[in-house]
Amino acid sequence: DIQMTQSPSTLSASVGDRVTITCRASQSITNWLAWYQQKPGKAPKLLIYEVSSLESGVPSRFSGSGSGTEFTLTISSLQPDDFASYYCQQYNTNSYTFGQGTKLEIK
Amino acid sequence: EVQLVESGGGLVKPGGSLRLSCGASGLTFSSYSMNWVRQAPGKGLEWVSSISSSSYTFYAASVKGRFTISRDSAKNSLYLEVNSLRVEDTAVYYCAKGDKGAFDIWGRGTVITVSS
Repeated sequence: DIQMTQSPSTLSASVGDRVTITCRASQSITNWLAWYQQKPGKAPKLLIYEVSSLESGVPSRFSGSGSGTEFTLTISSLQPDDFASYYCQQYNTNSYTFGQGTKLEIK
Repeated sequence: EVQLVESGGGLVKPGGSLRLSCGASGLTFSSYSMNWVRQAPGKGLEWVSSISSSSYTFYAASVKGRFTISRDSAKNSLYLEVNSLRVEDTAVYYCAKGDKGAFDIWGRGTVITVSS
């Protein structure tokens, strides 16, 4: 199975900051790489699919990039609503794997 | 509006069984793969099982042989039969629609607690 390793596990930042979360795959993966935002007590929300495609309704300050084994989620200018947990997820051969998550906290 | 609503969770003893349901509305249910994803208390997300639009089924190694996914397109419903439950199966179980290699629509979840 493909393992996904996210870093950092926790990130402290301020409103207006640019932040980047990294996800590394244990082997090269195709473009089936997605990012989710989750707030406490809520279901995850899809932000990015196919590495860099923005889900409908998601603000353009969110962007995704990468290839092979290294992928990133960037938030260009943090807003108060963005403080949450973020997960990457890959899909390969009828199996899905999530990263362990990154908690984005207010500094 | 697309909506997924899970039900069927509860408190069960180790070794017990439950049947989770997920009702879908606002989408052409039969056209999409459907999935179960779980989240243990304070932990991350874990994919559990998927069923394709053609009813091919796939499972995580941690549940294979104990869980069974199924769908009824006439009822716009997804199911997960969970058997031989273990303490480590305690989690919120989410139903999620699959598309583009991701899960684009999620329900609110139903909770399974396995405890003696």
